[in-house]
Amino acid sequence: GQQVMQIPQYQHVQEGEDFTTYCNSSTTLSNIQWYKQRPGGHPVFLIQLVKSGEVKKQKRLTFQFGEAKKNSSLHITATQTTDVGTYFCAGRDTGGFKTIFGAGTRLFVKA
Amino acid sequence: KAGVTQTPRYLIKTRGQQVTLSCSPISGHRSVSWYQQTPGQGLQFLFEYFSETQRNKGNFPGRFSGRQFSNSRSEMNVSTLELGDSALYLCASSLNKPETQYFGPGTRLLVL
Repeated sequence: GQQVMQIPQYQHVQEGEDFTTYCNSSTTLSNIQWYKQRPGGHPVFLIQLVKSGEVKKQKRLTFQFGEAKKNSSLHITATQTTDVGTYFCAGRDTGGFKTIFGAGTRLFVKA
Repeated sequence: KAGVTQTPRYLIKTRGQQVTLSCSPISGHRSVSWYQQTPGQGLQFLFEYFSETQRNKGNFPGRFSGRQFSNSRSEMNVSTLELGDSALYLCASSLNKPETQYFGPGTRLLVL
């Protein structure tokens, strides 16, 4: 079945450093979404990517969707303590209505 | 618009009991998905409902069931609770397809 792998599992950074998390699917995706979950909170939708090679920016966050629509990345420039949390990717394959979440990357930011 | 609401927020049960969790989606959203989140397993998909029909199901035993009502509100039921069912149960709603999903605060279930 469809699998979505996300790496790294954890990342510790110093405030001001950059951070990237990567997502890889075993199948071609119709689209991919990214979510952020703060400690003790629930996942919050950040963005959806649909087109092959698409790049979207939200302030210090840059999201990319691979040309083959099987991988994606989230890059945060100059991390801040407010970026702390777990970032999840979620993809739906081209065949069905099931959205599969990656295991998430937990980001720790040291001030 | 009001967000996704889930009740109850916290629940303590003992092994062998059953539990029903409720989810009210954002007004106008017709797709409701349920997830189980545990520290070791991440977000595990339980099932998704659309227009009162289960459209997709994850790999959970038959003890886990759900339904959706005509107003799109959804419930999930877990029968014969086991210790391993302790988790945060999240409900997410979306307009039609389970893509851009809006999550509720979750129900934290503890099974003793």
